[in-house]
Amino acid sequence: QKEVEQDPGPLSVPEGAIVSLNCTYSNSAFQYFMWYRQYSRKGPELLMYTYSSGNKEDGRFTAQVDKSSKYISLFIRDSQPSDSATYLCALIRNDYKLSFGAGTTVTVRA
Amino acid sequence: DSGVTQTPKHLITATGQRVTLRCSPRSGDLSVYWYQQSLDQGLQFLIQYYNGEERAKGNILERFSAQQFPDLHSELNLSSLELGDSALYFCASSVGQGFGELFFGEGSRLTVL
Repeated sequence: QKEVEQDPGPLSVPEGAIVSLNCTYSNSAFQYFMWYRQYSRKGPELLMYTYSSGNKEDGRFTAQVDKSSKYISLFIRDSQPSDSATYLCALIRNDYKLSFGAGTTVTVRA
Repeated sequence: DSGVTQTPKHLITATGQRVTLRCSPRSGDLSVYWYQQSLDQGLQFLIQYYNGEERAKGNILERFSAQQFPDLHSELNLSSLELGDSALYFCASSVGQGFGELFFGEGSRLTVL
């Protein structure tokens, strides 16, 4: 069993829709939670970073962490075609080991 | 632009051959990480170097090796190449030893024929 499981997608949504992306993890040693965005033919780039349970907002993006359920989510409000990309969750354990989810490819249709 | 430079961007070679991928980290970053990304395996951590020393090892095959030089650039050597080694190879860098925010290069796409 993988340490981090990410909903595989792909997702295709109309412009303006809310996109919901999810990852689950099995090891309670994960303490830091990140979302990376990867455009086609580019390297991943950090989108959001949090270490506590609850919600963190940054513009149209909200990262949600539920440590008790070992579940993290990323919500994209008012999605735009420019949000079309692959989104990877990334989790860091307290021994600094980082694990990436497999990624979910999102397409926002104009 | 992340500030991480990888060369070459594309590489086509034959089975059994050896290739070297090069990475220059962001100015000031001491850690370099190598990742392999394929369609069926996602982003797989290979190895990390910090200030010239190996810091962490992931799923790196024995046919693969890496090093970080005094000027902090890094090279990933892939030998006895197999068809299954075809993938995108990413280099990332960060300031510290721990896996904080990683800055990724644009990758080197390796095709083994």
